[in-house]
Amino acid sequence: DGGITQSPKYLFRKEGQNVTLSCEQNLNHDAMYWYRQDPGQGLRLIYYSQIVNDFQKGDIAEGYSVSREKKESFPLTVTSAQKNPTAFYLCASSIHRDTEAFFGQGTRLTVV
Amino acid sequence: EDKVVQSPLSLVVHEGDTVTLNCSYEVTNFRSLLWYKQEKKAPTFLFMLTSSGIEKKSGRLSSILDKKELFSILNITATQTGDSAVYLCAGKTSGTYKYIFGTGTRLKVLA
Repeated sequence: DGGITQSPKYLFRKEGQNVTLSCEQNLNHDAMYWYRQDPGQGLRLIYYSQIVNDFQKGDIAEGYSVSREKKESFPLTVTSAQKNPTAFYLCASSIHRDTEAFFGQGTRLTVV
Repeated sequence: EDKVVQSPLSLVVHEGDTVTLNCSYEVTNFRSLLWYKQEKKAPTFLFMLTSSGIEKKSGRLSSILDKKELFSILNITATQTGDSAVYLCAGKTSGTYKYIFGTGTRLKVLA
């Protein structure tokens, strides 16, 4: 089945630790995105990638990093510099920038 | 600043009712308006509208865009409990990868 797979579903992190969220897609989409969802707020763009080995900062990139070494994979690292990392993280992909985005099931990150 | 505003924030109806969800937008270089349904985790795509006045329909769901007045509506007829979800609206800018999301409308359908 084609789709976007995010792992893990739930993640707990101690303050000061870096964690990496996985996102894999087998839709053959060029573009991939990371969004953060907080209660009462719309989805906010963290990073996006148009093509392998290229990525751009979104609106809230501080404290996050990404890589795009393969078309299928777009992992997100939440670093210790991110002041308020507890949130629901959604990965998405689209064929190109003018088509609809499809989302993964999300990862809920909690800092303990 | 680009923004998308959805109303109402939440809505409770009974099965069989018809509901209308609203989305107004102010998006620079607007290209399209998208609707998603988010039940638990992943938002699922419903509609993408680019042309004004043309209704998109899928079963009991339909949506229309008014580019002059800068809004869209999502209609759900004969609601079912399975329609209970958060409905997200997003504006897409032309020439970029950016979607501007609203905060969503939480719909609860009672049996």
